Amino acid sequence: DAGVIQSPRHEVTEMGQEVTLRCKPISGHNSLFWYRQTMMRGLELLIYFNNNVPIDDSGMPEDRFSAKMPNASFSTLKIQPSEPRDSAVYFCASSQGQVDPSTDTQYFGPGTRLTVL
Amino acid sequence: AQKITQTQPGMFVQEKEAVTLDCTYDTSDPSYGLFWYKQPSSGEMIFLIYQGSYDQQNATEGRYSLNFQKARKSANLVISASQLGDSAMYFCAIIDRGSTLGRLYFGRGTQLTVWP
Repeated sequence: DAGVIQSPRHEVTEMGQEVTLRCKPISGHNSLFWYRQTMMRGLELLIYFNNNVPIDDSGMPEDRFSAKMPNASFSTLKIQPSEPRDSAVYFCASSQGQVDPSTDTQYFGPGTRLTVL
Repeated sequence: AQKITQTQPGMFVQEKEAVTLDCTYDTSDPSYGLFWYKQPSSGEMIFLIYQGSYDQQNATEGRYSLNFQKARKSANLVISASQLGDSAMYFCAIIDRGSTLGRLYFGRGTQLTVWP
């Protein structure tokens, strides 16, 4: 079974450029999460979707960040314009979206390592 | 307030020995789930084990077991017969019913090093 798929795995860009990260959740999963991991701040939840609808985007750092989920099998996280402080590993995760969330396991993709010069 | 506390930034264990990684949690919800993830140096986040708050028995998955002490609000991960490949960062996480639609709260992690 395919797990969560993320692309690209590595991205190096220059400050000011637009960056788009992509995620394909596990088939049949209804919830999708975007996380960012840095040494300083650990794992931070940026946004999560349920049934393609954004539920909570309070973790999105600022207006430069946006996320979409146009259908059940695809999501994007866009940074425009990118800044050096955005350098991090960005993870996408998905879960079934159980009615009782305390039983819901999130499965992570391999992550995208973003470096903004 | 922190929902998950991992007090051990780093742990060392000799190969074939058992090791316990500590995790305490904070929730007032009677229904919650506790998770452990492994992050090796390659970077991926690997789900290891799950414990539900109503589960009567401690969860086990192969060499991993969860020492669940509800009254103390602790959910320690026990790795038996450590292997060199167990060297990684380990994260404890919680979902409770207050976590709308499955939001996970992570601890800061424990870096485990297994030496030969």
